[in-house]
Amino acid sequence: GAVVSQHPSRVICKSGTSVKIECRSLDFQATTMFWYRQFPKKSLMLMATSNEGSKATYEQGVEKDKFLINHASLTLSTLTVTSAHPEDSSFYICSASPAGTHKNIQYFGAGTRLSVL
Amino acid sequence: QQQVKQSPQSLIVQKGGISIINCAYENTAFDYFPWYQQFPGKGPALLIAIRPDVSEKKEGRFTISFNKSAKQFSLHIMDSQPGDSATYFCAAKISSSGYSTLTFGKGTMLLVSP
Repeated sequence: GAVVSQHPSRVICKSGTSVKIECRSLDFQATTMFWYRQFPKKSLMLMATSNEGSKATYEQGVEKDKFLINHASLTLSTLTVTSAHPEDSSFYICSASPAGTHKNIQYFGAGTRLSVL
Repeated sequence: QQQVKQSPQSLIVQKGGISIINCAYENTAFDYFPWYQQFPGKGPALLIAIRPDVSEKKEGRFTISFNKSAKQFSLHIMDSQPGDSATYFCAAKISSSGYSTLTFGKGTMLLVSP
């Protein structure tokens, strides 16, 4: 099956620093990638949708200047949490949709646990 | 407004029993309904999905039942095993509108007791 690799799986950083999370589709080209945030025992909250080569579409209430998304290629999207604060600590998950007939399917990465001290 | 309502919030089933999770949706434009399984500390994994042109889809021990008129769909896990203990999310999507996003239910924590 299709594989989405997310890196790092866990990161601890100091308050005020920036953290970059990578999401790669390993065996398919992803025209669209999604970034989610998940709080403990809660559902996935969509943060933004990114299409290769264009600006990301952010959901209401998500600060685009704080959560920078870049989708530079058909296999890579990055999420940068800028000037991280303890309230940004969460589980961040990316997903990718293949181009073509399987565009409805989202394949998820394993997630990144961000802890901001 | 929650567009996909999922129940129950948690479920305990004995090994060998049937686990049933229900979802109801409001937007009649939804036409793709996947179920995802998530283990702690991991990302969700697609389990099974259905379109409204069929009333049931079965893959191994997992079955989706779909009732278009009632706008409801459910996941049945037959012969539930301790390894099935996870959180299950139903979701819905409008497949025709490009990259339209998934709308998730709130999730069901399933515990299968040995």
